[in-house]
Parts: sequence; C-alpha cells; structure tokens
Amino acid sequence: DAGVIQSPRHEVTEMGQEVTLRCKPISGHDYLFWYRQTMMRGLELLIYFNNNVPIDDSGMPEDRFSAKMPNASFSTLKIQPSEPRDSAVYFCASSSQGSKAGNTIYFGEGSWLTVV
Amino acid sequence: GDSVTQMEGPVTLSEEAFLTINCTYTATGYPSLFWYVQYPGEGLQLLLKATKADDKGSNKGFEATYRKETTSFHLEKGSVQVSDSAVYFCALAPGSQGNLIFGKGTKLSVKP
Repeated sequence: DAGVIQSPRHEVTEMGQEVTLRCKPISGHDYLFWYRQTMMRGLELLIYFNNNVPIDDSGMPEDRFSAKMPNASFSTLKIQPSEPRDSAVYFCASSSQGSKAGNTIYFGEGSWLTVV
Repeated sequence: GDSVTQMEGPVTLSEEAFLTINCTYTATGYPSLFWYVQYPGEGLQLLLKATKADDKGSNKGFEATYRKETTSFHLEKGSVQVSDSAVYFCALAPGSQGNLIFGKGTKLSVKP
C-alpha cells in the first residue's frame, strides 16, 4: 500500500512568491494532518482535518497560510506571500480515526521549503 | 494544556551502549503514548506505543513502559547500533481528539 505522498519534495522560492504543497493521504484514512518542523520550534501541528473538514487550525501561524481538503484523497497547504521565516520541512500525515485508542499516524517524507 | 517534555539532545553513544531517553507528559485523562523515530532525510515513523498504564511497548529492541504514577514513558535500548542514529520523538494523543502532541525530539548519534 502506498504511503502518504507529498509533493514537491524540495522547493526553493523567492520571498513574496506563492507556495503550494500537496498531499495524498493513505487511502481510507479519515484524518489528515499538516505539521511544520524547524530547528528552533521543533514539530508543530498546523492544522488537521477529519472527513475533509478542518477540526483545529489554531496552529496556522497567520493569514498567509491556508489549507484545503477538497476530497478524501487530496489536500493542499498554501503560503501566500512566502517569507524567509517560512523555511522549514512541512509534513503531511494521515490516520484512520486519528490517534484515538493508540491508532498510528503515518507521515509522508516531507516537503523541504526554502524561501530566499 | 497537554504537553510532552523529553530530554535535550544531542546524545552521543558508542555502539553497544545502553540508551535511555527520558520523556514525561502532562495530560488530562489517560492519553495514549508513542515514540516516533525520524531517520535523516525521512519522515517520522512509529517506533512503539502504549495505550494504558503499565503497558510496555516494544519494537526493534527498544522498549518503553507507560508509568502513570510518574507520568513518564522513557525509551530504552540495551545495546544501540550505528543504524539507530536518528531523532526520537515522544508524543501523546490527547483524550478524544485525533491529533498528536510531540516533544521537541532528541537526536541520537551512535559511533562505531
């Protein structure tokens, strides 16, 4: 079974440009998560969805960030306009029933974003 | 709110040494607890988990016991290998929510 698939794996962009990160969760999973990883702040939950509906977006840093899940097999995280401090690794993850009762959350390999 | 605290790294050990990475948590109710591992350039993957007090999770020679009385879930391995070099994250699942709360991670380097 294919895992969580993220694209692009690496992106270098100029400040002010729009960045779109994409995620395909594992088929059948009803939870989808977006995390951001930096050296300074560690692993931060940005937003998560259940059945395509955003449940908690309190981790989204500011209005420049937006996330959508138009269907069960696709999600996007968009940054517009991008800034150098957005440079990080962005992970998408999915799960069946989330982490309830010890269910495993499966991570993609990450999208490495550099904003110059 | 719920949180996870794990020991600061980096941790550097020689091959075959004993490993302990401390993890304590603060949570309401009875969360499930996890250890995830991140190898260089990869995403996180589940290493082991425990869903109730006194449960022991184990995998690949690693073990951790859910200690409710000390709110801890320390990771141990009796004899580490170079291939264990990675970043280890302790995490908890808060109550009825579906997400995970992670600690800051501990980088382990094992020297031959």
